[in-house]
Amino acid sequence: DTGVSQDPRHKITKRGQNVTFRCDPISEHNRLYWYRQTLGQGPEFLTYFQNEAQLEKSRLLSDRFSAERPKGSFSTLEIQRTEQGDSAMYLCASSFNKGLADTQYFGPGTRLTVL
Amino acid sequence: QKEVEQNSGPLSVPEGAIASLNCTYSDRGSQSFFWYRQYSGKSPELIMFIYSNGDKEDGRFTAQLNKASQYVSLLIRDSQPSDSATYLCAATGGYQKVTFGTGTKLQVIP
Repeated sequence: DTGVSQDPRHKITKRGQNVTFRCDPISEHNRLYWYRQTLGQGPEFLTYFQNEAQLEKSRLLSDRFSAERPKGSFSTLEIQRTEQGDSAMYLCASSFNKGLADTQYFGPGTRLTVL
Repeated sequence: QKEVEQNSGPLSVPEGAIASLNCTYSDRGSQSFFWYRQYSGKSPELIMFIYSNGDKEDGRFTAQLNKASQYVSLLIRDSQPSDSATYLCAATGGYQKVTFGTGTKLQVIP
């Protein structure tokens, strides 16, 4: 296992459609994070899991967004009824909780374009 | 007010020079700080982290942290054209939510 993987790498969809992204973290990592990044901005926190528990969800995340990590391994992020404003890079990161140095490693991202 | 602030740049330095990237944060509860490098169209790549006041060196990179001034910096010695990228500063508090700055674009001129 060489790193965090994400699938698909690119997704083009029409407004109103649902999309689902998958993230496979580094195998021994117990924490998994989802971020959204738009051009010229830093990654924006969406949600994170410790094992299978979703411990925090951004207030910016509307109810159209849902994330799961059913067995504490891979995670999915679903966006329902997509809007053009959802167009962004969706990044997944994972880490192994080691106290202060909870170092996150990012996957390659999924670039979403909503037409 | 953004929680983590960086000058967006671009910061231009000649090849071989020292590049100095700066970051300030507003949450005094922040405990750990990270520097990531991001090439255009790619995901962030960790360079280093720091959580104690002072300097931390790793190869050509030195991170500096001053908690009293709420200031973090990254020095890149002997800058190379391959260092040209956007550098993201990030801070995290005890509950591990990481807040990123908007990044500083570095251009190393050959």
